[in-house]
Amino acid sequence: DTGVSQNPRHKITKRGQNVTFRCDPISEHNRLYWYRQTLGQGPEFLTYFQNEAQLEKSRLLSDRFSAERPKGSFSTLEIQRTEQGDSAMYLCASSLASQYNQPQHFGDGTRLSIL
Amino acid sequence: GDSVTQMEGPVTLSEEAFLTINCTYTATGYPSLFWYVQYPGEGLQLLLKATKADDKGSNKGFEATYRKETTSFHLEKGSVQVSDSAVYFCALRGSSGGSYIPTFGRGTSLIVHP
Repeated sequence: DTGVSQNPRHKITKRGQNVTFRCDPISEHNRLYWYRQTLGQGPEFLTYFQNEAQLEKSRLLSDRFSAERPKGSFSTLEIQRTEQGDSAMYLCASSLASQYNQPQHFGDGTRLSIL
Repeated sequence: GDSVTQMEGPVTLSEEAFLTINCTYTATGYPSLFWYVQYPGEGLQLLLKATKADDKGSNKGFEATYRKETTSFHLEKGSVQVSDSAVYFCALRGSSGGSYIPTFGRGTSLIVHP
């Protein structure tokens, strides 16, 4: 068990470019979550998957954001036509779906900086 | 909807001082409660949890008791170390509604001086 892995750790790009982040969850975890975290704030929920199905999306997730988990294992989060306001830490977490009291296990995040 | 309120930071203490970080919540039903810790440049790590009223979660000298009557889950440690300097997040996960999306507080920064 190597924990939740996120790549890249840092991404710097120009406004208007597309970016894609990857998350590899803990192997036996069937739930995968994406969050955004800005300085001085807690994680804000973006979306989550159970296996390959995307079950819920936050209203924060504009149509420039898309997430996939094609085989129920790793997931990708793509942001198209990036804007200054997209600069943040993007966190991925995974958990077991068995009960609501299961904690989430977080990756170290991808820090996105928009120039 | 569900919400979590944490005391504002930063909390600045000397080594070996007593720590309390307040957390109160609003939720329907019987949520599970969690404390996470985030060190600079890293993701969140689960510190402790409690799943029902009067449960006490504990780990690495930290404790928190699930108080349903006061809807609180305050984090305490008897003697902090410099290595405890981090941001602490209180979170809840509801028992109703089915989506089980956790709600996080804004975080409380702890700075411990030697």
